[in-house]
Amino acid sequence: GAVVSQHPSRVICKSGTSVKIECRSLDFQATTMFWYRQFPKKSLMLMATSNEGSKATYEQGVEKDKFLINHASLTLSTLTVTSAHPEDSSFYICSARDNAEQFFGPGTRLTVL
Amino acid sequence: QKEVEQDPGPLSVPEGAIVSLNCTYSNSAFQYFMWYRQYSRKGPELLMYTYSSGNKEDGRFTAQVDKSSKYISLFIRDSQPSDSATYLCAMSVSTGNQFYFGTGTSLTVIP
Repeated sequence: GAVVSQHPSRVICKSGTSVKIECRSLDFQATTMFWYRQFPKKSLMLMATSNEGSKATYEQGVEKDKFLINHASLTLSTLTVTSAHPEDSSFYICSARDNAEQFFGPGTRLTVL
Repeated sequence: QKEVEQDPGPLSVPEGAIVSLNCTYSNSAFQYFMWYRQYSRKGPELLMYTYSSGNKEDGRFTAQVDKSSKYISLFIRDSQPSDSATYLCAMSVSTGNQFYFGTGTSLTVIP
């Protein structure tokens, strides 16, 4: 299947700082990428849909000014958590659609101190 | 009512058992059905993908879709300890639409 990478895999930051997470589709072009958040032993929560060349579509309750998404190319989408707080600590996972199938990145564990 | 319902388990079975994992859904427009396996602290890995109704087999895994009952299943034959993971079902209306996920079922296969 197609490969999606995420970087970094783990990040620890201080409260108030911003963190950028990259999501790349390595062997296919993805016009649409998705960003999810997952709490321990819980399912995936869709945060936003990232469309190449246009603004992201955010799910209800997700602050677009706090979670900035940029999809600058067909292989790269970035999620920036701005002014991070401890409650933003979570596992963030991106995915990219290749035709009808959706492939996930390995996830990024964010810890905000 | 949630779009997709999945029993979170946990489910424990002895090695070699046949495992049955299930999801129900409410939206009759769903056409694409997926099963993902997620190991702890890892991203989900696509296991099986099915379009519309019917069965699909891949090695020890069989996916079934019954659109009339709005019910999908994943069967694992000859289960192995390495199958211990959380299994997520997902579905979408079309290739351009978002995916809806179940909550995941935690499976442990005991040696």
